[in-house]
Amino acid sequence: AQSVTQLDSQVPVFEEAPVELRCNYSSSVSVYLFWYVQYPNQGLQLLLKYLSGSTLVKSINGFEAEFNKSQTSFHLRKPSVHISDTAEYFCAVIRSNSGYALNFGKGTSLLVTP
Amino acid sequence: NAGVTQTPKFQVLKTGQSMTLQCAQDMNHNSMYWYRQDPGMGLRLIYYSASEGTTDKGEVPNGYNVSRLNKREFSLRLESAAPSQTSVYFCASSVEIEAFFGQGTRLTVV
Repeated sequence: AQSVTQLDSQVPVFEEAPVELRCNYSSSVSVYLFWYVQYPNQGLQLLLKYLSGSTLVKSINGFEAEFNKSQTSFHLRKPSVHISDTAEYFCAVIRSNSGYALNFGKGTSLLVTP
Repeated sequence: NAGVTQTPKFQVLKTGQSMTLQCAQDMNHNSMYWYRQDPGMGLRLIYYSASEGTTDKGEVPNGYNVSRLNKREFSLRLESAAPSQTSVYFCASSVEIEAFFGQGTRLTVV
């Protein structure tokens, strides 16, 4: 089964500092990978996705993630975070044999402080 | 732009009561899903519907039933609520790869 592991449950960081949220995947076949963001008391929003092609994918708000097949990783990075980036971030992969349902990691809580 | 709409937003049930969580999407998506979110567990798939007229079990289906009423609506029913079903429930719909989520229903079973 395709699965993801998020290596950090909480990441505290100061405003304007860089951040990396780590995600490793387990799959023996082609994989589609996603990062979703959940702001407090809201639903999930797609941040970015890797389907094929360029291994570096970017979001409109400055986040980027790199698909690394040799290390089976899809880490999320931002060079300078804002207070408004405080949220829960979920790495996800398409499940096997469940339509396009997702398997999620357990989430990483990013807390940005002044 | 309604997207995926869930009702109710909050609910408190007593153990043994039943209720139905409603979900509707206005994006003409074929696939719909129900997930539950628990602290430290991420989101786990309860049931999904790949197309109108079909439903299948996900990772944690026990204690739940679903109905795909039509292409727009996908409901989740708890026949006899238990405290272990206290959770935040999310409905989602997708056009192939990309999923869109509702705002969630926070359910407490006492």
